[in-house]
Amino acid sequence: GENVEQHPSTLSVQEGDSAVIKCTYSDSASNYFPWYKQELGKRPQLIIDIRSNVGEKKDQRIAVTLNKTAKHFSLHITETQPEDSAVYFCAASWSGGYQKVTFGTGTKLQVIP
Amino acid sequence: DGGITQSPKYLFRKEGQNVTLSCEQNLNHDAMYWYRQDPGQGLRLIYYSQIVNDFQKGDIAEGYSVSREKKESFPLTVTSAQKNPTAFYLCASSRSETYNEQFFGPGTRLTVL
Repeated sequence: GENVEQHPSTLSVQEGDSAVIKCTYSDSASNYFPWYKQELGKRPQLIIDIRSNVGEKKDQRIAVTLNKTAKHFSLHITETQPEDSAVYFCAASWSGGYQKVTFGTGTKLQVIP
Repeated sequence: DGGITQSPKYLFRKEGQNVTLSCEQNLNHDAMYWYRQDPGQGLRLIYYSQIVNDFQKGDIAEGYSVSREKKESFPLTVTSAQKNPTAFYLCASSRSETYNEQFFGPGTRLTVL
């Protein structure tokens, strides 16, 4: 089955700096890569996703890149703000039949004011 | 407030007892999922269901059981066979088509005394 590794497990940045979280996946059939944000005490929510036919996607301060050959994808947050502090999960799934999603172990991001 | 709900928020049980966690959604989603969240281990899939009266084991199904008698409901039973049941349990739902966002419930924190 699919295996998703996520690094780092914790990340501290100064407000205004950039943050990068990296994930690798094992199953070359995976073609959908969502990122979820979970604030303290709240449920995970989708913040951005990318499909395998796209190399990069951007939404305001958040961007995701995908390297299919190397089987890795990354989340980039620019101009970080205190409200970006949360746990971020990457995930991978195969759309061909069922949406079974495999999640990474999460990255706790702390933005220091 | 619509969406996906879980009850109760906190649950305590004694060792050797079975307990059932509730998950209800009014999003008309076909697919529903149960995840277990432990510190440092991300979200691990317990069971998932694509349609009524059908469900599949996830990665850590041992000691758990589910039913899907109605489209809106996907209860999870934690049995006495689950060796380490203390955890945070998240239910999610999505449309059955590909590339679909998963919507999470608020979670149930189960503590075995």
